[in-house]
Amino acid sequence: KNEVEQSPQNLTAQEGEFITINCSYSVGISALHWLQQHPGGGIVSLFMLSSGKKKHGRLIATINIQEKHSSLHITASHPRDSAVYICAVPELIYNQGGKLIFGQGTELSVKP
Amino acid sequence: NAGVTQTPKFQVLKTGQSMTLQCAQDMNHNSMYWYRQDPGMGLRLIYYSASEGTTDKGEVPNGYNVSRLNKREFSLRLESAAPSQTSVYFCASRVTGNLLRDGYTFGSGTRLTVV
Repeated sequence: KNEVEQSPQNLTAQEGEFITINCSYSVGISALHWLQQHPGGGIVSLFMLSSGKKKHGRLIATINIQEKHSSLHITASHPRDSAVYICAVPELIYNQGGKLIFGQGTELSVKP
Repeated sequence: NAGVTQTPKFQVLKTGQSMTLQCAQDMNHNSMYWYRQDPGMGLRLIYYSASEGTTDKGEVPNGYNVSRLNKREFSLRLESAAPSQTSVYFCASRVTGNLLRDGYTFGSGTRLTVV
C-alpha cells in the first residue's frame, strides 16, 4: 500500500462542475502539498497546508489531520483547469531535507 | 524572474555518454532536489541537498551523482547514460524553517532521451 494515495486517478468533468480530488496518507506529516502539472509539463505548487482550509481563487484545499485525509476542490471548473493534480507529503519533520512522498496524481480533464 | 532554472530543456544522448543537468535558484532556498518522472511511476527522488555542502541519496540514486556547488546551484550528472535513464527530470527547491514561506518551487523540467 502506497503511503500517499489519491482518488480518483482519472476524472472527466463538464465545464462548470464542482470537482473534488481526494488524498489519503498513512505517514505522520507536518504539512501536505498540492501540486499542479499542466500538459506542458511544468509543476506548480498550489497549496501547503497543515490544518483547516486554504482558498485561492476557485481552488480550495482542506485537511483533516486526525483522519489523515485532504481534499482539493475546484469550483466552477474550466477547461484550463485540465491538468494532473498531485498530493505530496514531506517525510517526518526530523528530516530537515523535507523530501516529498508523492501520490500517483489525478488526471483531470474538463470539457467545454 | 525569480524561480528555478533548469538547463537544458531537451537532450538526446547515446548510451554511455555523460552529461550534467544544471539547476539554479535565486530565491535563497536552503533545500534542493532532483526528481525524475516516468509514466505510471510518478515523481521519484534521485538526490537532495538539505543545505549547501550536503547531499543525500533519494529513492533512485543509482547511475547519478550530484554536486551542490553553492547555495544557488545543484547539478545532476549522468556518468554513463543508459536507456533506463530516459525520463523527465525536475529540479526543485524549498525554503525550510519558515512556515510562512514554506513551499516547493519546481523547474520547468528536462526531457532526456537515451538511445
